[in-house]
Amino acid sequence: AQTVTQSQPEMSVQEAETVTLSCTYDTSESDYYLFWYKQPPSRQMILVIRQEAYKQQNATENRFSVNFQKAAKSFSLKISDSQLGDAAMYFCAYRSARDKVIFGPGTSLSVIP
Amino acid sequence: EPEVTQTPSHQVTQMGQEVILRCVPISNHLYFYWYRQILGQKVEFLVSFYNNEISEKSEIFDDQFSVERPDGSNFTLKIRSTKLEDSAMYFCASSDLRDNEQFFGPGTRLTVL
Repeated sequence: AQTVTQSQPEMSVQEAETVTLSCTYDTSESDYYLFWYKQPPSRQMILVIRQEAYKQQNATENRFSVNFQKAAKSFSLKISDSQLGDAAMYFCAYRSARDKVIFGPGTSLSVIP
Repeated sequence: EPEVTQTPSHQVTQMGQEVILRCVPISNHLYFYWYRQILGQKVEFLVSFYNNEISEKSEIFDDQFSVERPDGSNFTLKIRSTKLEDSAMYFCASSDLRDNEQFFGPGTRLTVL
Protein backbone atom coordinates (compact mmCIF):
# COMPACT_ATOMS: atom_id res chain seq x y z
CA ALA A 1 0.00 0.00 0.00
CA GLN A 2 1.11 3.51 -0.68
CA THR A 3 2.19 5.65 2.25
CA VAL A 4 3.24 9.26 2.65
CA THR A 5 5.54 10.41 5.42
CA GLN A 6 6.29 13.89 6.64
CA SER A 7 8.99 13.75 9.30
CA GLN A 8 8.65 17.35 10.47
CA PRO A 9 5.47 17.87 12.54
CA GLU A 10 6.35 21.55 13.02
CA MET A 11 8.61 24.05 11.28
CA SER A 12 9.21 27.75 11.64
CA VAL A 13 10.79 30.33 9.36
CA GLN A 14 11.63 34.02 9.55
CA GLU A 15 9.61 36.24 7.29
CA ALA A 16 11.38 36.69 3.92
CA GLU A 17 13.55 33.61 4.50
CA THR A 18 13.41 30.25 2.76
CA VAL A 19 12.12 27.03 4.26
CA THR A 20 12.02 23.46 2.98
CA LEU A 21 9.39 20.94 4.03
CA SER A 22 10.24 17.26 3.64
CA CYS A 23 8.12 14.45 2.29
CA THR A 24 8.85 10.86 1.39
CA TYR A 25 6.49 8.29 -0.02
CA ASP A 26 6.39 4.62 -0.74
CA THR A 27 4.90 3.09 -3.83
CA SER A 28 5.52 0.30 -6.30
CA GLU A 29 3.79 2.15 -9.11
CA SER A 30 5.61 4.09 -11.79
CA ASP A 31 2.82 6.43 -12.84
CA TYR A 32 1.53 8.78 -10.16
CA TYR A 33 1.12 12.36 -9.06
CA LEU A 34 2.39 14.24 -6.05
CA PHE A 35 0.90 17.33 -4.46
CA TRP A 36 1.43 19.82 -1.73
CA TYR A 37 -1.72 21.19 -0.13
CA LYS A 38 -1.94 24.12 2.23
CA GLN A 39 -4.54 24.15 5.00
CA PRO A 40 -4.90 27.50 6.78
CA PRO A 41 -6.87 27.85 10.04
CA SER A 42 -10.08 27.96 8.00
CA ARG A 43 -9.27 24.28 7.25
CA GLN A 44 -9.90 24.63 3.54
CA MET A 45 -7.57 22.52 1.39
CA ILE A 46 -5.70 24.63 -1.13
CA LEU A 47 -3.52 23.09 -3.80
CA VAL A 48 -0.06 24.67 -3.74
CA ILE A 49 1.81 22.69 -6.35
CA ARG A 50 1.57 19.47 -8.34
CA GLN A 51 4.17 17.17 -9.88
CA GLU A 52 3.64 14.38 -12.39
CA ALA A 53 6.02 11.48 -11.77
CA TYR A 54 6.86 11.11 -15.46
CA LYS A 55 8.20 14.67 -15.58
CA GLN A 56 11.83 15.06 -14.64
CA GLN A 57 11.61 18.81 -14.35
CA ASN A 58 10.72 20.06 -10.88
CA ALA A 59 7.46 22.00 -10.68
CA THR A 60 7.47 25.65 -9.64
CA GLU A 61 4.67 28.06 -8.79
CA ASN A 62 5.91 31.56 -8.01
CA ARG A 63 7.61 31.32 -4.59
CA PHE A 64 6.92 27.60 -4.28
CA SER A 65 9.08 24.93 -5.83
CA VAL A 66 9.66 21.23 -5.31
CA ASN A 67 12.64 18.96 -5.33
CA PHE A 68 11.35 15.69 -6.77
CA GLN A 69 13.74 12.75 -6.45
CA LYS A 70 11.90 9.81 -7.97
CA ALA A 71 14.51 7.17 -7.22
CA ALA A 72 14.69 8.26 -3.59
CA LYS A 73 10.89 8.71 -3.44
CA SER A 74 11.35 12.16 -2.02
CA PHE A 75 9.24 15.24 -2.71
CA SER A 76 10.21 18.33 -0.73
CA LEU A 77 8.60 21.77 -0.91
CA LYS A 78 10.66 24.94 -0.85
CA ILE A 79 9.00 28.21 0.05
CA SER A 80 11.09 31.25 -0.84
CA ASP A 81 10.63 34.76 0.56
CA SER A 82 8.24 33.44 3.22
CA GLN A 83 5.25 35.61 4.03
CA LEU A 84 3.01 35.74 7.07
CA GLY A 85 0.19 34.33 4.96
CA ASP A 86 2.20 31.19 4.36
CA ALA A 87 1.61 30.10 7.94
CA ALA A 88 -0.54 26.98 7.72
CA MET A 89 -0.57 23.22 7.84
CA TYR A 90 1.06 21.71 4.76
CA PHE A 91 0.14 18.27 3.54
CA CYS A 92 2.13 16.23 1.08
CA ALA A 93 -0.14 13.96 -0.95
CA TYR A 94 0.15 11.12 -3.44
CA ARG A 95 -2.25 9.93 -6.07
CA SER A 96 -1.83 7.00 -8.36
CA ALA A 97 -3.68 6.63 -11.62
CA ARG A 98 -6.23 4.68 -9.58
CA ASP A 99 -7.59 7.95 -8.31
CA LYS A 100 -7.72 8.29 -4.50
CA VAL A 101 -5.42 10.81 -2.82
CA ILE A 102 -3.30 9.66 0.10
CA PHE A 103 -2.21 12.38 2.48
CA GLY A 104 0.76 12.62 4.78
CA PRO A 105 0.33 13.62 8.44
CA GLY A 106 1.15 17.26 7.77
CA THR A 107 3.72 19.86 8.80
CA SER A 108 2.62 22.92 10.73
CA LEU A 109 4.53 25.96 9.44
CA SER A 110 4.88 29.11 11.51
CA VAL A 111 6.20 32.33 10.02
CA ILE A 112 7.97 34.65 12.44
CA PRO A 113 7.68 38.37 11.72
CA GLU B 1 -13.36 30.36 -11.40
CA PRO B 2 -15.54 27.28 -10.83
CA GLU B 3 -15.33 25.73 -7.39
CA VAL B 4 -16.69 22.90 -5.31
CA THR B 5 -19.18 24.04 -2.69
CA GLN B 6 -20.34 22.27 0.45
CA THR B 7 -23.24 22.80 2.80
CA PRO B 8 -23.60 23.27 5.65
CA SER B 9 -20.27 24.67 6.77
CA HIS B 10 -20.88 23.37 10.28
CA GLN B 11 -23.36 20.72 11.42
CA VAL B 12 -24.02 19.80 15.01
CA THR B 13 -25.98 16.64 15.71
CA GLN B 14 -26.82 14.26 18.50
CA MET B 15 -25.30 10.80 18.59
CA GLY B 16 -27.50 8.32 16.78
CA GLN B 17 -29.01 10.89 14.44
CA GLU B 18 -28.74 10.78 10.67
CA VAL B 19 -26.91 13.53 8.85
CA ILE B 20 -26.60 14.39 5.20
CA LEU B 21 -23.66 16.41 4.01
CA ARG B 22 -24.10 18.10 0.68
CA CYS B 23 -21.65 18.93 -2.06
CA VAL B 24 -22.00 20.61 -5.41
CA PRO B 25 -19.06 19.52 -7.58
CA ILE B 26 -17.76 21.56 -10.47
CA SER B 27 -20.33 21.26 -13.22
CA ASN B 28 -18.44 19.32 -15.90
CA HIS B 29 -16.74 16.97 -13.46
CA LEU B 30 -17.48 13.27 -13.50
CA TYR B 31 -15.51 11.85 -10.57
CA PHE B 32 -16.49 12.61 -7.01
CA TYR B 33 -14.86 11.92 -3.68
CA TRP B 34 -15.35 12.24 0.05
CA TYR B 35 -12.49 12.60 2.52
CA ARG B 36 -12.51 13.07 6.25
CA GLN B 37 -10.13 14.77 8.66
CA ILE B 38 -10.47 14.17 12.38
CA LEU B 39 -9.17 17.18 14.28
CA GLY B 40 -5.40 17.12 14.51
CA GLN B 41 -5.08 14.13 12.20
CA LYS B 42 -4.42 13.62 8.53
CA VAL B 43 -6.96 13.65 5.76
CA GLU B 44 -8.32 10.19 4.99
CA PHE B 45 -10.02 8.90 1.86
CA LEU B 46 -13.56 7.65 2.33
CA VAL B 47 -15.06 6.92 -1.07
CA SER B 48 -14.90 7.65 -4.77
CA PHE B 49 -17.92 7.74 -7.06
CA TYR B 50 -18.25 7.59 -10.82
CA ASN B 51 -21.06 6.86 -13.22
CA ASN B 52 -23.57 6.62 -10.39
CA GLU B 53 -21.72 4.00 -8.46
CA ILE B 54 -18.98 3.65 -5.91
CA SER B 55 -15.64 2.95 -7.58
CA GLU B 56 -13.59 2.57 -4.43
CA LYS B 57 -14.15 2.84 -0.70
CA SER B 58 -11.94 2.68 2.35
CA GLU B 59 -12.45 0.52 5.41
CA ILE B 60 -13.74 3.60 7.22
CA PHE B 61 -16.70 3.68 4.83
CA ASP B 62 -18.82 1.05 6.51
CA ASP B 63 -22.55 0.37 6.34
CA GLN B 64 -23.32 3.55 8.27
CA PHE B 65 -22.16 5.59 5.29
CA SER B 66 -23.76 6.01 1.89
CA VAL B 67 -23.31 8.34 -1.04
CA GLU B 68 -25.71 9.48 -3.66
CA ARG B 69 -25.97 11.76 -6.62
CA PRO B 70 -29.68 12.53 -6.40
CA ASP B 71 -29.74 14.94 -9.31
CA GLY B 72 -27.37 16.38 -11.88
CA SER B 73 -25.63 18.72 -9.48
CA ASN B 74 -25.55 17.44 -5.90
CA PHE B 75 -23.38 14.75 -4.37
CA THR B 76 -24.29 13.73 -0.84
CA LEU B 77 -22.74 11.78 2.00
CA LYS B 78 -25.18 10.27 4.48
CA ILE B 79 -24.21 8.97 7.88
CA ARG B 80 -27.10 6.88 9.09
CA SER B 81 -26.52 6.78 12.84
CA THR B 82 -23.77 9.13 13.90
CA LYS B 83 -21.21 8.23 16.53
CA LEU B 84 -18.99 10.50 18.58
CA GLU B 85 -16.00 9.42 16.53
CA ASP B 86 -17.65 10.67 13.35
CA SER B 87 -16.88 14.21 14.49
CA ALA B 88 -14.53 15.51 11.83
CA MET B 89 -14.12 17.80 8.87
CA TYR B 90 -15.58 16.24 5.74
CA PHE B 91 -14.22 17.31 2.37
CA CYS B 92 -15.83 16.73 -0.97
CA ALA B 93 -13.67 16.73 -4.10
CA SER B 94 -14.28 16.36 -7.81
CA SER B 95 -12.29 15.96 -11.00
CA ASP B 96 -13.13 15.98 -14.68
CA LEU B 97 -10.96 13.03 -15.60
CA ARG B 98 -9.73 10.36 -13.25
CA ASP B 99 -6.11 11.32 -13.81
CA ASN B 100 -6.67 15.02 -13.35
CA GLU B 101 -6.43 17.17 -10.30
CA GLN B 102 -9.09 16.83 -7.63
CA PHE B 103 -10.60 20.11 -6.54
CA PHE B 104 -11.55 20.23 -2.89
CA GLY B 105 -14.52 21.98 -1.36
CA PRO B 106 -14.21 24.10 1.79
CA GLY B 107 -15.36 21.26 4.02
CA THR B 108 -18.20 20.63 6.45
CA ARG B 109 -17.32 20.49 10.11
CA LEU B 110 -19.45 17.78 11.73
CA THR B 111 -19.77 17.77 15.50
CA VAL B 112 -21.50 14.81 17.13
CA LEU B 113 -22.60 15.35 20.72
